[in-house]
Amino acid sequence: KNQVEQSPQSLIILEGKNCTLQCNYTVSPFSNLRWYKQDTGRGPVSLTIMTFSENTKSNGRYTATLDADTKQSSLHITASQLSDSASYICVVRHQTGANNLFFGTGTRLTVIP
Amino acid sequence: EAGVAQSPRYKIIEKRQSVAFWCNPISGHATLYWYQQILGQGPKLLIQFQNNGVVDDSQLPKDRFSAERLKGVDSTLKIQPAKLEDSAVYLCASSLIPQNTGELFFGEGSRLTVL
Repeated sequence: KNQVEQSPQSLIILEGKNCTLQCNYTVSPFSNLRWYKQDTGRGPVSLTIMTFSENTKSNGRYTATLDADTKQSSLHITASQLSDSASYICVVRHQTGANNLFFGTGTRLTVIP
Repeated sequence: EAGVAQSPRYKIIEKRQSVAFWCNPISGHATLYWYQQILGQGPKLLIQFQNNGVVDDSQLPKDRFSAERLKGVDSTLKIQPAKLEDSAVYLCASSLIPQNTGELFFGEGSRLTVL
């Protein structure tokens, strides 16, 4: 069964600290994986996309990793800011099929001053 | 470039009433999605359109939900009659490329509260 699981469910960190969010998936065959950021009351916005051949990709203070062998991805946030408070959703795309996107339930990150 | 537009942003109705949500995707995006997001959960696909044809509506509760995308542009999602469990945010998204690497662009959502 194609599934995406994220951990932790929620996380509270102090401003300026680093954190890592996890995404494990069973989707196969794998096409790509995206991390979305969803601010409260807004729609999700793509942060980065990881394809099969990519291990690491950075977008400012966000760094995503992918281990296609173990079917794991992580999103590392460096020097967190208050504006990083949001839900982070991992979305994995299957190679085939019309409805081929599988969503995680998200990690709710709260950055406190 | 204008983003995905949705309206209304908020709607409060009583159970058994009806409600309609409207979405205008990014110009040129052929694929349009409606998702239901219950508080604390990830989005769940309700229906996917490719131009004005339905690609997938397997998770759409067809006894009460309906959606259309006339002329392959705007789309409307209707709920009639609403139930308490329909309280959620309804997200519309569009994509230029439906397969492979296509990024989804989401609207801000329509928050429905059913009393």
